[in-house]
This record gives sequence, structure tokens and C-alpha cells, in this order.
Amino acid sequence: QKEVEQNSGPLSVPEGAIASLNCTYSDRGSQSFFWYRQYSGKSPELIMFIYSNGDKEDGRFTAQLNKASQYVSLLIRDSQPSDSATYLCAAEAGGTSYGKLTFGQGTILTVHP
Amino acid sequence: KAGVTQTPRYLIKTRGQQVTLSCSPISGHRSVSWYQQTPGQGLQFLFEYFSETQRNKGNFPGRFSGRQFSNSRSEMNVSTLELGDSALYLCASSSGWGQEQFFGPGTRLTVL
Repeated sequence: QKEVEQNSGPLSVPEGAIASLNCTYSDRGSQSFFWYRQYSGKSPELIMFIYSNGDKEDGRFTAQLNKASQYVSLLIRDSQPSDSATYLCAAEAGGTSYGKLTFGQGTILTVHP
Repeated sequence: KAGVTQTPRYLIKTRGQQVTLSCSPISGHRSVSWYQQTPGQGLQFLFEYFSETQRNKGNFPGRFSGRQFSNSRSEMNVSTLELGDSALYLCASSSGWGQEQFFGPGTRLTVL
């Protein structure tokens, strides 16, 4: 059983639209959550980090965390073709899970002009 | 502020050989985590070091090992390479637990 699940892709949206990416996690002890963007052949780039319930906004990106529902999402407003990439959701557990992020399988996003 | 650096960027080895990969974290960061990324398994945690101590380890065989130096630079070693070890090896730097992790560019290892 996967510990972090992302909505199956690929996801295709038109330029200027809102892209919605979803993630659920099974470990209730998870404390911090991350969204990374990964272009083909590149390493993951951190775009959002959230640890409190509610919304966190950074430019065109908004992360939403609901620990009761074990759910975290990422909204990308005014999507651009340059946003086309694989988006990875990750969770870091509490306790002695030092430095260990558990990743979902990723969602491929394509923004078409 | 300089980012995470990894060397070498590409490696080609043959089965049975061993390999050492290096990671220099962001200045001031004392935590270094290592991950393996493959198309089939995705990103999987190998281990984490903080102040020269391994604090956490993933489910990988003992052929995978690592260490961290007093300047926070870290190395990972894979002995007796197998074909299945071909992957992108990534290290991530953090100031500590519960903080952001920033990835380096990775080392692409190919085992022939």
C-alpha cells in the first residue's frame, strides 16, 4: 500500500486555466508536506512547503492542507506552458523519521497554448 | 547562496564495481538525505545524515552506505554494483527536521 497517493494523470489544461493537483497520505503522523516540480531529465525543485492546516499562497501557487482528511493539494493559477512538468507530492513523518520524505508517484501536467 | 552540488553528474560502471558519490549541501545546512529515483519505483529514501551521524535509513541492502564529514559534505557508496542500481541518485539538503529539503542536480549512474 502506497503511503502517498497522487491523482492519476496525466493532467492537461489550457494556458491560463487553473491546474489542480491532489495528494492523500496514509500516515497520520505526517507533519510536513512538500510539492516539487520536476522537469524531464532534471532534479526536483521545491515549489511549496506546508505544515499547518489551511492555505498557503506563493505567487501563482496555492497549497492546501487538511490533516483531518489527510489531504494536500496544489493549485496553479494562470497556468503557463512552462509549468508543464511532473509534480511530486511528499510527506515527512514525525517521530524519528529524520530527513525521510515519502513521495507519491507524481502527476504529469501539460499546459497547452 | 549556492545550492546543493553533486559530483559527478554522470557515471558509467560495470556490474561488480563500486562507486562513490558526493554531495555538498547548502551552506549552513547540516542535514543531508539521499534518494534513489527510478522510473519503476519513483523516489525512494536511502538515508539521512546530520552532524556526521546517520539518523535514519531506508529499506536498501547493506551495499548502500554513506557518511558525512564535519563540514556537512556527504558521500554515498554502492558496492558490488548490480544492473538494478542504475538510477538517478539525489541528495537533499535541509537545516533540520521539519524544514524544507532542497535537491541537488543528481548523479546519473548507469551500470552495464
